[in-house]
Amino acid sequence: QTVVTQEPSLSVSPGGTVTLTCDLSSGPVSSSFFPSWYQQTPGQTPRTLIYDTDIRSSGVPDRFSGSILGSKAALTITGAQADDESDYYCLLDVGRGIRIFGGGTKLTVL
Amino acid sequence: EVQLLESGGGLVQPGKSLRLSCGASGFTFSSYAMTWVRQAPGKGLEWVSSISGSAGGTYYADSVRGRFTISRDNSKNTLYLELNRPRAEDTAIYYCATLQGGTLFRYWGQGTLVTVSS
Repeated sequence: QTVVTQEPSLSVSPGGTVTLTCDLSSGPVSSSFFPSWYQQTPGQTPRTLIYDTDIRSSGVPDRFSGSILGSKAALTITGAQADDESDYYCLLDVGRGIRIFGGGTKLTVL
Repeated sequence: EVQLLESGGGLVQPGKSLRLSCGASGFTFSSYAMTWVRQAPGKGLEWVSSISGSAGGTYYADSVRGRFTISRDNSKNTLYLELNRPRAEDTAIYYCATLQGGTLFRYWGQGTLVTVSS
């Protein structure tokens, strides 16, 4: 069974930089998996941040950026703000129409 | 303005059936693939199923394949998810969303809660 793994939790200081990663049990992540990233605060609907590896969705601040780092997809927040404290999920297209979310990363800004 | 409105959630007994609906407006519904995502209480997001704009292609997560059926009626701008033989572990908020390309779930509904319990 294919599993997508994210860091369960991370913390960052206000103004700091943090990188969240997205790993695939079956092998390295590349752009061909169309990695995307979603932000969700408790009780709210998920918000699209990044799609197709590194394209920011409309209205998303440029402090959010997506990339491939080594064998993983990555979301980097540069200049973190208090309202970036949320859960973040990556999503991969693993082929044959199957998509898989990662388990999510709980980001704390303190 | 794009709007997606789920309905049909509620309490369902294990083994019974339930049909969720997602009404769409503000875009050309038939031109978009659509998807269902769920979130169990206190848990993460789980992709459930997707369907192409023409309904010619349907895809399911292993956890629901053979039990759930995704469909759409483009004349009614409505997406459906039929939950057959639901289990307690299917208890979740079910969201519908538009799907573009590989993984872009750009627009989301507010979700509908399904509770599977006797």
